[in-house]
Amino acid sequence: NAGVMQNPRHLVRRRGQEARLRCSPMKGHSHVYWYRQLPEEGLKFMVYLQKENIIDESGMPKERFSAEFPKEGPSILRIQQVVRGDSAAYFCASSALAGVRTDTQYFGPGTRLTVL
Amino acid sequence: GENVEQHPSTLSVQEGDSAVIKCTYSDSASNYFPWYKQELGKGPQLIIDIRSNVGEKKDQRIAVTLNKTAKHFSLHITETQPEDSAVYFCAAITTRGGSYIPTFGRGTSLIVHP
Repeated sequence: NAGVMQNPRHLVRRRGQEARLRCSPMKGHSHVYWYRQLPEEGLKFMVYLQKENIIDESGMPKERFSAEFPKEGPSILRIQQVVRGDSAAYFCASSALAGVRTDTQYFGPGTRLTVL
Repeated sequence: GENVEQHPSTLSVQEGDSAVIKCTYSDSASNYFPWYKQELGKGPQLIIDIRSNVGEKKDQRIAVTLNKTAKHFSLHITETQPEDSAVYFCAAITTRGGSYIPTFGRGTSLIVHP
C-alpha cells in the first residue's frame, strides 16, 4: 500500500470533546498538508508540516486547532473542544521531500468529522 | 494572495460529448496547476497537471491548456463516460521558498448521462 492513509474515516464527537485525526504520508514523502472541506466547497488549506516542523500554519484557526508531525509516527490534527461548525471532511495530502515533483500532492481518503 | 475562480459549478453532458472546465488565477507567480477528481466519499485524486513552461498537456481523453498571459487554464475531457461523473477541482500553486501551498477552485460537478 503506497497511498496516503487517514484514520479514522468517520469520527463522531459531542460538543466540547476532542477530535484527533491521523495521517500517514506516502512512503518516501516527508511533507504533509491538512485541508478542510465543507459541503459543496473547495479545499481550504490549513497547515503544512515537515517532520518535527510546522512550515506554514496560515490556514489554521488560532484557537483549538493544532497539528504535529513527529519524527516517528503519523501526523496528527487535533481539534479541542469541538463545536458544530467543525463538522467537515478533513483531508491530508503528502508530497516528496526532494526531487523533480516535490510540489505534487497526493491526497488521502479523508476523515469525516461530525459534531453532535 | 492567490485567488482561483472555477466555472461552471455544474456541468451536465451526454455520454460521448466533450466537457470543458475553466479556471482563472490572479497571482502571476503561480507556476504549477494540478487538476483533481473527487468521487463521492473519497479523497481528491490527481488526474493531470501542467507547469507554466508548457501550454498544453494531454493524457488519453484528458487534456489541460494553460494561457499564462491571460492567467487561465482549462480541463478538457473528450468522449465522456458515466464514470467521469465526479467533482473536479483546479488548483494554482506558487513554488517559492520551498513552500507549495495550493489555492483550489470551488469545484465543478460533472454529470455524464448515459
